[in-house]
Amino acid sequence: AQTVTQSQPEMSVQEAETVTLSCTYDTSESDYYLFWYKQPPSRQMILVIRQEAYKQQNATENRFSVNFQKAAKSFSLKISDSQLGDAAMYFCAYRSVLYNNNDMRFGAGTRLTVKP
Amino acid sequence: SQTIHQWPATLVQPVGSPLSLECTVEGTSNPNLYWYRQAAGRGLQLLFYSVGIGQISSEVPQNLSASRPQDRQFILSSKKLLLSDSGFYLCAWSVLGGSYNEQFFGPGTRLTVL
Repeated sequence: AQTVTQSQPEMSVQEAETVTLSCTYDTSESDYYLFWYKQPPSRQMILVIRQEAYKQQNATENRFSVNFQKAAKSFSLKISDSQLGDAAMYFCAYRSVLYNNNDMRFGAGTRLTVKP
Repeated sequence: SQTIHQWPATLVQPVGSPLSLECTVEGTSNPNLYWYRQAAGRGLQLLFYSVGIGQISSEVPQNLSASRPQDRQFILSSKKLLLSDSGFYLCAWSVLGGSYNEQFFGPGTRLTVL
């Protein structure tokens, strides 16, 4: 079974600085989807960025970008120019591309604090 | 656009009481629906998912059950709550065959069992 590991329970960053959140996963599949979700204090889960494994180009969404290392099974999230509103729990998630697989695996999360 | 609703937002229930949490989706047809539980400071645990009306798959044996009486309605129930049922419950939807199969989450229900 696929597992997702986030080794940093907590991270902090100074406002306007850059921070990288780590995520590794274990799978025997060659194609799959990877996601980063943000959960602010409101607890609403918000999709931040997504990547399909067969695409070598790293996904980018404004200040958010990923470093996808397929061989290393690593999927880190970089937040540039951090803002106070970025403070939240961040979850890395893995999903199979198999038609009948409805399982999305989540990591335990990283709590990001942004210091003014 | 699609929206997902959950209610109630907060619930405090005594041990042994019944439970019914509701989730509805608007703006899409035949979605896949999911129930997750998030314990304090933890990740998400998939409880149930449904690919259609009356079709429920359970991921974790427990005293909870789920039902899908309508295409866009998903209900999480229990006949007798346990203390360990406390947590944050999230409903999510996705479209099978979508480009990324990502899931979209509702606002959640915080359940406290006393």
